[in-house]
This record gives sequence, C-alpha cells and structure tokens, in this order.
Amino acid sequence: EAGVAQSPRYKIIEKRQSVAFWCNPISGHATLYWYQQILGQGPKLLIQFQNNGVVDDSQLPKDRFSAERLKGVDSTLKIQPAKLEDSAVYLCASRSTRHGPNYGYTFGSGTRLTVV
Amino acid sequence: SQQGEEDPQALSIQEGENATMNCSYKTSINNLQWYRQNSGRGLVHLILIRSNEREKHSGRLRVTLDTSKKSSSLLITASRAADTASYFCAPSGGGAQKLVFGQGTRLTINP
Repeated sequence: EAGVAQSPRYKIIEKRQSVAFWCNPISGHATLYWYQQILGQGPKLLIQFQNNGVVDDSQLPKDRFSAERLKGVDSTLKIQPAKLEDSAVYLCASRSTRHGPNYGYTFGSGTRLTVV
Repeated sequence: SQQGEEDPQALSIQEGENATMNCSYKTSINNLQWYRQNSGRGLVHLILIRSNEREKHSGRLRVTLDTSKKSSSLLITASRAADTASYFCAPSGGGAQKLVFGQGTRLTINP
C-alpha cells in the first residue's frame, strides 16, 4: 500500500507569515494525526481526527494553528502567523481502525519548517 | 494519556554488538509500540507487543514487556551502521488511541 504523503518537504518563511502543510493518509485509514517535532525532542501530538471529526486538539495552539480534514481523507495544517518557535518538523500519521487497538501508525516523512 | 520514558537518552556501541534500550510507563496499556526515526525522516513502526504478551521477535529485534513493572525493553542484535537512529516507545491504552512520545534513545553504531 502507498504510504502517508506529505508536502511540501521543506519550507522557509519569515515570522508573521502564514504557511500550510498537506497530508494524504493511507487509503481507508480513518484516524489521522498531526505531530510537531522540535529538534532534539520527541514528537508532540497537535491534533487527532477520526474521519473528518476532531477527537483531540488539546495541545493545538488555536490562536495561530488550525487544521481540517475535509471529507475524512486529506488534511491540512495551517499556521498564521508563524513565530520563530514554530520551527520544527511537522509529521502526519494515519492509522486503520479496522484492526482494533493493536495496530501501528504509519508516518509520513514530514515537513521541515524553518521560521526566520 | 500515556507517555513512555526511554532510557538511556543516548547509546553508542560498536558495529556487531547488541543494543538494549528500555522504556517505562505509568498506567495500564493495551499494547506498547516501538518506532525508529532516522535523522530528518518520519517515524517507522518497528514492532507492537500486546499487554498479554511477554516477548516478541522480529528479525534482529526482540521486545520484552513486563506489565507488573510497567516496563519494556528493545534489544537489537548484531547491530549495523544502518541501525543508527532514534528509538521511541509508545504505550497505548484507552479509547482515544493516541500515541504520546518521550524524548527517545539516540543510538549510534560506530564502524
């Protein structure tokens, strides 16, 4: 099966600009996650979708970050306006729910964002 | 939510040696997963061990789980340069099915 696709691969923007990341999960995977990984740290969950509904966005900085998953397939994550501390790799992951809880996640390669 | 804590934070060994890294967690789980991350890449799912399993093998990987001690270990045998990466454990439990990652173990295999 095809993997989780993310684009762009790299992005450099100035602070206060806006940016959007795109994720196409594995076909049929109902659950989609966005993680933020700052250099040297583990990934931090930003938001979890089940189909096109939000399950958990408790760690999403909602004053500047937004995410949507229209039609329960592709997802976009937006930052507006960006701050220097948003420099990180943004990872998208998806998971099938058909196999119950004992099934791993598939991650995309991530988008590396640099805010200058 | 669950979070695993990996130990050690960094590990450096010679090629061919075995590498062992440990994971501790705090609450009950359905399963525990291990992931690898090569520099600048996404995470790759290595192995999942269910709460009713004690040991699981996959190629050169061996994972153990001790639910009474709330701990797990990942053993990589006959290490290779390509095993150089960060390794994360992710305990999973409850209905939300979200993985919370710790800082990981940074493994370096020296030629």
